[in-house]
Amino acid sequence: RKEVEQDPGPFNVPEGATVAFNCTYSNSASQSFFWYRQDCRKEPKLLMSVYSSGNEDGRFTAQLNRASQYISLLIRDSKLSDSATYLCVVIGGGTGNQFYFGTGTSLTVIP
Amino acid sequence: GAGVSQSPSNKVTEKGKDVELRCDPISGHTALYWYRQSLGQGLEFLIYFQGNSAPDKSGLPSDRFSAERTGGSVSTLTIQRTQQEDSAVYLCASSLGTAGTRGYTFGSGTRLTVV
Repeated sequence: RKEVEQDPGPFNVPEGATVAFNCTYSNSASQSFFWYRQDCRKEPKLLMSVYSSGNEDGRFTAQLNRASQYISLLIRDSKLSDSATYLCVVIGGGTGNQFYFGTGTSLTVIP
Repeated sequence: GAGVSQSPSNKVTEKGKDVELRCDPISGHTALYWYRQSLGQGLEFLIYFQGNSAPDKSGLPSDRFSAERTGGSVSTLTIQRTQQEDSAVYLCASSLGTAGTRGYTFGSGTRLTVV
């Protein structure tokens, strides 16, 4: 079983829409969680950390549900520039301090 | 440096040749990771260095792959006798300390093509 699983999509949404991605993780001892964004043929870049209390950064809201072992990312008022692949990342609970990446969810925002 | 620097940015090599990929992490970052990403695929963990500790090599796919980190800074990933399935983008990342709340920063990668 994979450490981290994501729906690969693609999600195609119109500008202004609200879209949500979920990501599940298998190891209940996992400690830290992040969302990364990866543009086509570019390296992943940190979008935001995910805290138990939930956190918001502008149009982006990230939440963690430890009981059900999933994290979510909500994007409100989607912009064309939000088109990218969104990777969830889980750290801890495995050997060492390895980060476990999901395979990513592809988002395309359509004019 | 200001960011994670990787070289070369692109490498085309013939099957069977050896290649060396270089990563220069952010100054002061003690943790360094190598991942690879095949076209349209997720990130595959290769190896992890943390300070002076023995590296976590659990992700290396075969004994043709090896990595070193000299002086706790620059790292070199070596692939011997390259095969076509080694073609991928090799990404290096560094972080300050161990698991924490800051995630880590990636370099722009080396795109390796084995022909």
